[in-house]
Amino acid sequence: GAGVSQTPSNKVTEKGKYVELRCDPISGHTALYWYRQSLGQGPEFLIYFQGTGAADDSGLPNDRFFAVRPEGSVSTLKIQRTERGDSAVYLCASSWTGTGGYDEQFFGPGTRLTVL
Amino acid sequence: GQQVMQIPQYQHVQEGEDFTTYCNSSTTLSNIQWYKQRPGGHPVFLIQLVKSGEVKKQKRLTFQFGEAKKNSSLHITATQTTDVGTYFCAGNTGNQFYFGTGTSLTVIP
Repeated sequence: GAGVSQTPSNKVTEKGKYVELRCDPISGHTALYWYRQSLGQGPEFLIYFQGTGAADDSGLPNDRFFAVRPEGSVSTLKIQRTERGDSAVYLCASSWTGTGGYDEQFFGPGTRLTVL
Repeated sequence: GQQVMQIPQYQHVQEGEDFTTYCNSSTTLSNIQWYKQRPGGHPVFLIQLVKSGEVKKQKRLTFQFGEAKKNSSLHITATQTTDVGTYFCAGNTGNQFYFGTGTSLTVIP
């Protein structure tokens, strides 16, 4: 079956602009995670959804970052007033339940965001 | 705050040599997962350890979870060129996964 997909694969934007990054998880997976990965670093947790609700958004760096998952499947990460420091690869992962974090996470290919 | 560190950051080995990466958490973990990321790719799940002192093997790979559930290791026996990539541990304390800094493995043929 299809894996996790993310669009766009690359996004170049100017400082101050608004961007949306989309994640299509594996069908049936209730848990969805967003991570940010900078070059040479491990993925940095941003937010975790269980179904439609954000069960943990403590990793979002500031209020310019927001994510939604209105129907419990597709999720959108939204970044307002982008800054050069936001440049990174944004990874999405999904898992069957996510309960207690005991499920294997399936990662998407990521969206490479570049803020000029 | 929660921190997960890995050493070494980089490792170059001759094909056939063994390789070990170590993962250390500042706090006790519920479980730990290991992922491999090939250059230009995304993390791919390898294994999960849950119990204190647990040891699991996958062919040439051996994974251990420390007794205090604060550290873990991955050992690869007789490395092959297909082992090239960055190995990440990811510690879980509930809803969040804290990824380690990763160990980048280069295997010289």
